[in-house]
Amino acid sequence: NAGVTQTPKFRILKIGQSMTLQCTQDMNHNYMYWYRQDPGMGLKLIYYSVGAGITDKGEVPNGYNVSRSTTEDFPLRLELAAPSQTSVYFCASSYSVWDLQETQYFGPGTRLLVL
Amino acid sequence: DQQVKQNSPSLSVQEGRISILNCDYTNSMFDYFLWYKKYPAEGPTFLISISSIKDKNEDGRFTVFLNKSAKHLSLHIVPSQPGDSAVYFCAASDTGNQFYFGTGTSLTVIP
Repeated sequence: NAGVTQTPKFRILKIGQSMTLQCTQDMNHNYMYWYRQDPGMGLKLIYYSVGAGITDKGEVPNGYNVSRSTTEDFPLRLELAAPSQTSVYFCASSYSVWDLQETQYFGPGTRLLVL
Repeated sequence: DQQVKQNSPSLSVQEGRISILNCDYTNSMFDYFLWYKKYPAEGPTFLISISSIKDKNEDGRFTVFLNKSAKHLSLHIVPSQPGDSAVYFCAASDTGNQFYFGTGTSLTVIP
């Protein structure tokens, strides 16, 4: 199992550009999440999905969009990139949030710099 | 508004001693708590969890304690090893679908 994979690892964007951060998991997990981590801060939830075709907003959704057409993939779209979106983005997945033996498995992160 | 707080940004401990990392939360609806460990340039990895029906959970050298009345949890690492040097995040969930993370504590275990 590759677990959770994210691409790209690092990207520089100019203000106003758009990009899609890719996330794929091969564990057949229902739940998928996108977080951002700013320097010296904890992870903030951007969007999450409880299954294919179902997404919902987290704490900090503004400036982002997501889709979940398959169980495996959960891309995050940035439209009109702004310097405030400079951050490290983590994708995660879990089977469920109810099973005490389960938790979130994280990808290695995508470092994004908006200039 | 930070619902999960880790007030110590860093902690240094001698190898072999106990490391105690603390976490406070404000939302009384939180009932499931986790600790994650994160190395530089990697994603967080799950360490240990506890539900609100327990006050202690052990896994090898790692023990998590939960004090619901104080809205406080702590992670004990005994004995601490140099490989434990990492950033530790606590997280909480309120039986919904969202996890709320603290800001992290950077642990350095000195050989």
